[in-house]
Amino acid sequence: AQSVSQHNHHVILSEAASLELGCNYSYGGTVNLFWYVQYPGQHLQLLLKYFSGDPLVKGIKGFEAEFIKSKFSFNLRKPSVQWSDTAEYFCAVIPFYNQGGKLIFGQGTELSVKP
Amino acid sequence: GAGVSQTPSNKVTEKGKYVELRCDPISGHTALYWYRQSLGQGPEFLIYFQGTGAADDSGLPNDRFFAVRPEGSVSTLKIQRTERGDSAVYLCASSAGTVLSGGYTFGSGTRLTVV
Repeated sequence: AQSVSQHNHHVILSEAASLELGCNYSYGGTVNLFWYVQYPGQHLQLLLKYFSGDPLVKGIKGFEAEFIKSKFSFNLRKPSVQWSDTAEYFCAVIPFYNQGGKLIFGQGTELSVKP
Repeated sequence: GAGVSQTPSNKVTEKGKYVELRCDPISGHTALYWYRQSLGQGPEFLIYFQGTGAADDSGLPNDRFFAVRPEGSVSTLKIQRTERGDSAVYLCASSAGTVLSGGYTFGSGTRLTVV
């Protein structure tokens, strides 16, 4: 079945540590890729997105993600995390043939940053 | 309003009862989506409206679930004969066009608990 996989269910880091959250998808064609974040008690917010062009995408709050087509991956990175980055992070995909919507989400990664 | 509004924020209902969940999208957003997020999972697509019509309802799990958007703005998700497995957070999102226009804006969700 077509899917999005986030390999880390829960990540615990200390402040200033570097972050990389993995995301792999199983669609063979062109895809649009997203990372969303959900801070405690808040709604889902868009961190960054990739449609085409430079595979290294920069988003808000110092986050970036790299699209590696050959690996079907779109990993999220941040060089130095802060306590305020504690949240749940969701990778999502829209296969190009489904431009009407239908984000397909991974199961999420909970990030806990210790002060 | 400034964001996507969902009411109620919490709903507890008895098994077998009927419930309605309301979504008020951002003014002018033509596309509206419903997702369901079960505990420990990413959001799963239910249905997508473009204007008044359901453009894709392939995510509705069975015929107990139905959604309407009669005037192209507010939408109601209706669940008949609720079951304990329907317990989840129901998310609504809206977009000015398709997701290519910049992604969704999500509401804070309705937490449905079926007892």
